[in-house]
Amino acid sequence: GAGVSQSPRYKVAKRGQDVALRCDPISGHVSLFWYQQALGQGPEFLTYFQNEAQLDKSGLPSDRFFAERPEGSVSTLKIQRTQQEDSAVYLCASSKGTGGNTEAFFGQGTRLTVV
Amino acid sequence: GQQLNQSPQSMFIQEGEDVSMNCTSSSIFNTWLWYKQEPGEGPVLLIALYKAGELTSNGRLTAQFGITRKDSFLNISASIPSDVGIYFCAGDPKSNFGNEKLTFGTGTRLTIIP
Repeated sequence: GAGVSQSPRYKVAKRGQDVALRCDPISGHVSLFWYQQALGQGPEFLTYFQNEAQLDKSGLPSDRFFAERPEGSVSTLKIQRTQQEDSAVYLCASSKGTGGNTEAFFGQGTRLTVV
Repeated sequence: GQQLNQSPQSMFIQEGEDVSMNCTSSSIFNTWLWYKQEPGEGPVLLIALYKAGELTSNGRLTAQFGITRKDSFLNISASIPSDVGIYFCAGDPKSNFGNEKLTFGTGTRLTIIP
């Protein structure tokens, strides 16, 4: 597709349920980022991949959060045993990542509501 | 996590007015970016600044990279209805962004009063 695609757009999960959020980056983009955006706040960095390698996961809030990008393309963010504080919009972004001022393009996000 | 301080939090203006917003940080960034986000969408890059003191324009938008590398401002001239949205600043500690995590501001919500 032409842009970053995320699915589902909306997810309602019961507390304690596991969820998986998918990101299809722009074709050929090397770098992929996940951000969490709480209501009324700016996005906060979660993790970063270069191809299939997860180079930075310093923003993951707990060990319940796990991200993977096994073939260097599609990425999945998994949240285990969801809690109410996990409710947020999860944004994925990708960039060419070839070095030197490469813009990251964001998807529309997945809005997760934990009830 | 850390978020940059943006002001004002919200603005209510009339069409045709000029807008000014700014962003401050307690730490230095080597790249400053300004994004716009509309409801149900991801942020879209408006302007990127790479050098302290740099002043850059993109149509009716003008942004400056503060000389201390701890602040930036964004001006919008002659606002139009499609300017409505939330504006975020973002800082990158590296000077060649795209390969590094961004720290975003708290956002400025722009509303145009008919």
